[in-house]
Amino acid sequence: SQQGEEDPQALSIQEGENATMNCSYKTSINNLQWYRQNSGRGLVHLILIRSNEREKHSGRLRVTLDTSKKSSSLLITASRAADTASYFCAPGEIQGAQKLVFGQGTRLTINP
Amino acid sequence: NAGVTQTPKFQVLKTGQSMTLQCAQDMNHNSMYWYRQDPGMGLRLIYYSASEGTTDKGEVPNGYNVSRLNKREFSLRLESAAPSQTSVYFCASRSTGTHYGYTFGSGTRLTVV
Repeated sequence: SQQGEEDPQALSIQEGENATMNCSYKTSINNLQWYRQNSGRGLVHLILIRSNEREKHSGRLRVTLDTSKKSSSLLITASRAADTASYFCAPGEIQGAQKLVFGQGTRLTINP
Repeated sequence: NAGVTQTPKFQVLKTGQSMTLQCAQDMNHNSMYWYRQDPGMGLRLIYYSASEGTTDKGEVPNGYNVSRLNKREFSLRLESAAPSQTSVYFCASRSTGTHYGYTFGSGTRLTVV
């Protein structure tokens, strides 16, 4: 299993602005997943993008995947206070039990 | 509500005590996982069960044992708790197939004194 590395480690923006966070990984993947964790809570699955997809949308979320650069980005548009959380990316294994390895995440703070 | 249920939510143990963390899912998922999360850190995989009847070690298995009791339940046991095992423990499950995300429980906050 491989770990995704999120960048930046912390991001603080004003409500209504867009937030972009990035993820890099090292080896070939089957998919890449993004999760959100509110303080003190379990992770919530946000979106999964398959290795043959380049872009995927879900509500205010937009995820891109560039397998040639081994990188992904998560864009949250029109941010809200409720988006304040830590965000984690997790590369999905090509084979096996799909064990996910999580990095330290990006801590996003939305200021009112 | 469908999901992953973890018990207990909070626990304080003395060094050397044992306990079992319980996890149950009602989504008919095949795979289940146990993670720990230390302050300011990501999650580290302790053990996982790809399917009923199988268990395998993750990144940090030392000091833990697991039991996949049936398809629904996956328990984590600390035989002799140590302060280094103070952490928040999360259980997760996933459906069969390669393009499904995890569903996480709300966690067990364990303190070992």
